[in-house]
Amino acid sequence: EAGVAQSPRYKIIEKRQSVAFWCNPISGHATLYWYQQILGQGPKLLIQFQNNGVVDDSQLPKDRFSAERLKGVDSTLKIQPAKLEDSAVYLCASSFGAGSGNTIYFGEGSWLTVV
Amino acid sequence: GQNIDQPTEMTATEGAIVQINCTYQTSGFNGLFWYQQHAGEAPTFLSYNVLDGLEEKGRFSSFLSRSKGYSYLLLKELQMKDSASYLCAAGGGADGLTFGKGTHLIIQP
Repeated sequence: EAGVAQSPRYKIIEKRQSVAFWCNPISGHATLYWYQQILGQGPKLLIQFQNNGVVDDSQLPKDRFSAERLKGVDSTLKIQPAKLEDSAVYLCASSFGAGSGNTIYFGEGSWLTVV
Repeated sequence: GQNIDQPTEMTATEGAIVQINCTYQTSGFNGLFWYQQHAGEAPTFLSYNVLDGLEEKGRFSSFLSRSKGYSYLLLKELQMKDSASYLCAAGGGADGLTFGKGTHLIIQP
């Protein structure tokens, strides 16, 4: 079974530029998550989708971050304009259903460096 | 919301046993997860506890006490490849998991 796919794997941009990350979840998984993991810390939830609807985006910095999952499968996370503190790994994850009784499976992450 | 606490770093010897503790405070609770994360890689699922007690899976076991807001991950017969960060995560309701900062485990020969 294919896992969660993410691209690009690595990205270096200058501050104030924009960047977009793409995610394809495990087939059949209705719930998709974007987490931000800063070096030395645990992942922090940015946004959670159930199919194509947003369940939780309370920790998403909406002035610069946006995410969509228009057809309820693939998702895109965009940052515009980027700040130095956005340097982190952006982990996409998926689960069969919502609710923490469902195991969350992570992609390999997209590593962002803002210089 | 959730608050997760776990030690920042631990050191253990190859072949020994180590216990990584985690305490949590939640406004709602629907299970406690442990994930392993090697440097530069994504977290991988280790265990899930929703009822009190011990869950054993090979060399790894996980324990939960809901009344105490406490869990631990027990690793036996440590191997060098067990050097990694171990993330404790709790979930509430329909929300995604809230992760602790992770415990960096160093295995020495």
